[in-house]
Amino acid sequence: ILNVEQSPQSLHVQEGDSTNFTCSFPSSNFYALHWYRWETAKSPEALFVMTLNGDEKKKGRISATLNTKEGYSYLYIKGSQPEDSATYLCAPEDAGNNRKLIWGLGTSLAVNP
Amino acid sequence: NAGVTQTPKFQVLKTGQSMTLQCAQDMNHEYMSWYRQDPGMGLRLIHYSVGAGITDQGEVPNGYNVSRSTTEDFPLRLLSAAPSQTSVYFCASSYSLHTEAFFGQGTRLTVV
Repeated sequence: ILNVEQSPQSLHVQEGDSTNFTCSFPSSNFYALHWYRWETAKSPEALFVMTLNGDEKKKGRISATLNTKEGYSYLYIKGSQPEDSATYLCAPEDAGNNRKLIWGLGTSLAVNP
Repeated sequence: NAGVTQTPKFQVLKTGQSMTLQCAQDMNHEYMSWYRQDPGMGLRLIHYSVGAGITDQGEVPNGYNVSRSTTEDFPLRLLSAAPSQTSVYFCASSYSLHTEAFFGQGTRLTVV
């Protein structure tokens, strides 16, 4: 079963700052990587699903990259806004475990106005 | 579209009681799953289904049953509630395994 690590655990930034988080996973048995955004008192919402080494995806001010050979993905937020405050979860699909999602603990982002 | 509808939103049970958490989706998704969220832990998979009539165990299946008689519905049954089942439960659905998952609003369950 994949072991997923996300860093940092939490992050406080000022409005307008750009920031990034890391998701690390074993490169063996990798199939795909999911990123989700989870606001307090709401449900997780999908940001990206990435499968190929070198993949880059973008949605507005948020982008992500994927390195399957070394087992990591970066999530970037450009010009953070208070509404970006949330927990960002990554979840690789474990090809050795029926491709189930293995969830990280997330990075909690707080953007101060 | 309603998306994934999960009920109830809150529930308090006494130890030993049984109940069913309902989950329905209107997106014709084949893949549905139930997770629990506990403090300090990532989402943990309880049971999942890859289509009507097919279910399988996840990481923490003990004490829970599921069935998938239709594509739309995937109820989760607690057979005899225990305090260890106090948690927030999420139902999710997706078109297939490597597509984005859509989550229900969550059920906060307390077992006393």
